[in-house]
Amino acid sequence: DAKTTQPPSMDCAEGRAANLPCNHSTISGNEYVYWYRQIHSQGPQYIIHGLKNNETNEMASLIITEDRKSSTLILPHATLRDTAVYYCIVKGQGGSEKLVFGKGTKLTVNP
Amino acid sequence: EAQVTQNPRYLITVTGKKLTVTCSQNMNHEYMSWYRQDPGLGLRQIYYSMNVEVTDKGDVPEGYKVSRKEKRNFPLILESPSPNQTSLYFCASSNGRSNTEAFFGQGTRLTVV
Repeated sequence: DAKTTQPPSMDCAEGRAANLPCNHSTISGNEYVYWYRQIHSQGPQYIIHGLKNNETNEMASLIITEDRKSSTLILPHATLRDTAVYYCIVKGQGGSEKLVFGKGTKLTVNP
Repeated sequence: EAQVTQNPRYLITVTGKKLTVTCSQNMNHEYMSWYRQDPGLGLRQIYYSMNVEVTDKGDVPEGYKVSRKEKRNFPLILESPSPNQTSLYFCASSNGRSNTEAFFGQGTRLTVV
């Protein structure tokens, strides 16, 4: 089972920031938080990941709370092409590298 | 360009007719895996491979086989497909070290009639 909880759906206006929350209250100290998205039925696409510090790349920012029990993915200026299902995944170091996908959040960016 | 390539993208077949879905990656990744995606069930791992000649079952391996004879290729084999294997399949690869991203293929939509 997925170790994360996400809202099933969210809406965002084009050009505005999209803030997608994720709860991972049982996360262990060596587990990372990963975000992927899936546009329509395409292959999932990596967005960002982090351990405890906030992270930013060209796609998004990841804010992880100090207790690491939740995080927020921020798309700073959402576009229509950001409409997708966003998955928050907790993954530890080593092991099978398996990604356990939950149901994710369906983000709809509206014009 | 770093990529994972699956073929075919779409396939309709009949029950019992053996088929192979190919997967190839150009990133020299050690770890490769197969997922299936079904409505209401999300993405589930079928098989994975941590390196050449090293494969293991994922969460839903029944009815599937894999092989890893070369590092770049990881074919998924359905010896006797059944309608319950109608699904959307994804191949993925990563370098097998923690703290790295996985790359996914574009998917293979399989229909077994």
